[in-house]
Amino acid sequence: QMQLVESGGGVVQPGRSLRLSCAASGFSFSSFVMHWVRQAPGQGLEWVAVIWSDGSNKYYADSVKGRFTISRDNSQTTLYLQMSSLRAEDTAVYYCARDLGVGYSGWGFDYWGQGTLVTVSS
Amino acid sequence: QSALTQPASVSGSPGQSITIFCTGTRSDVGSYNLVSWYQQHPGKAPKVMIYDVSKRPSGISNRFSGSKSGNTASLTISGLQAEDEADYYCCSYGGGSTVVFGGGTKLTVL
Repeated sequence: QMQLVESGGGVVQPGRSLRLSCAASGFSFSSFVMHWVRQAPGQGLEWVAVIWSDGSNKYYADSVKGRFTISRDNSQTTLYLQMSSLRAEDTAVYYCARDLGVGYSGWGFDYWGQGTLVTVSS
Repeated sequence: QSALTQPASVSGSPGQSITIFCTGTRSDVGSYNLVSWYQQHPGKAPKVMIYDVSKRPSGISNRFSGSKSGNTASLTISGLQAEDEADYYCCSYGGGSTVVFGGGTKLTVL
């Protein structure tokens, strides 16, 4: 059974760093493009970042570029999001999501994790 | 990376049909057939209902359909049911290897 399980969320002070993880199981992780998507409390969805299946390419939303880094370990079937210089406006539930393309990006998401809450507050 | 435009809310009675519109630009919706729609119930993760403008994933009811004209995509739900009450988000490839979402539409089944 396909699963995406995020972890690593919590309360962090502005300016500090945090690393999120997303453990994948039940599918061939190394064959799929993966994304991070976030949702601020009571707000809509916001795409954050994408990483190619082999990790060769990474792209970011303007709002996080230069502060967040997406990475993956295909041997551990885990996706990561390293977040630095955190701001109050980064407060959100962070979801990892599998791209619906196989071997390429279809620029949509067919499976989502349950999300992990990051709260940036002093 | 500007958000796509959706109405904040729509409503309909059981059995009726509703359509949610999602307006983008020539740089996103208008240039690519890579529009998807997501249903999100409170406290739950989003679920894909339509992808590539009009394709339905396995297991999604044929009451859900999608289309696109110019810079505007739409999601139609026919035969409304109580369990369709949720938030709906459109999403499009935004060019430059980015993705853009709509602001979301709250569907109320009266």
